[in-house]
Amino acid sequence: GQQLNQSPQSMFIQEGEDVSMNCTSSSIFNTWLWYKQDPGEGPVLLIALYKAGELTSNGRLTAQFGITRKDSFLNISASIPSDVGIYFCAGQKGTYKYIFGTGTRLKVLA
Amino acid sequence: EAGVAQSPRYKIIEKRQSVAFWCNPISGHATLYWYQQILGQGPKLLIQFQNNGVVDDSQLPKDRFSAERLKGVDSTLKIQPAKLEDSAVYLCASSSRLAKNIQYFGAGTRLSVL
Repeated sequence: GQQLNQSPQSMFIQEGEDVSMNCTSSSIFNTWLWYKQDPGEGPVLLIALYKAGELTSNGRLTAQFGITRKDSFLNISASIPSDVGIYFCAGQKGTYKYIFGTGTRLKVLA
Repeated sequence: EAGVAQSPRYKIIEKRQSVAFWCNPISGHATLYWYQQILGQGPKLLIQFQNNGVVDDSQLPKDRFSAERLKGVDSTLKIQPAKLEDSAVYLCASSSRLAKNIQYFGAGTRLSVL
């Protein structure tokens, strides 16, 4: 099945650094979502974006819905150890179905 | 508000055996989803229910996988017989039109097929 392309695949950063990751698709989506998954847990919603060009923040997280509707970006400012995990983007077409990205694995060095 | 409940959390079986997973969605959520997440990949939708009806099962391997949501609340996903490549985490999610169809996930069942 289709999966969205996320980059980078993984990253190691120092605590306090800013992080950027993105998600691209060949298809247009109506909604973009970003989830975080900790080991042994299900994905947890971080941010949902509903309109092309929309920029939304949730604490230290900021995400943008690309103008072309084929991409999205997530930034984390001043990373802390608990930011460790796998970040997934998901695109939604129509009302329900999500297509997930391949994931970005984030590791934070204290 | 209680989240999506799944059981068991872990299951180890031998190939060709059968296994079943259970999911109880968030109260009032009409839409329920089963995903398969293979190690190192994002979740892949297996089947989507709207109340007790199937909306999308295009990626469900119907020769061995089955799912039901008889009363439109909780759901069971079954694999019979299991293959080695079925080793994965099986995630259940639910959503409500009143909450913008955002999907909320359970903790998943980790299946190992030996």
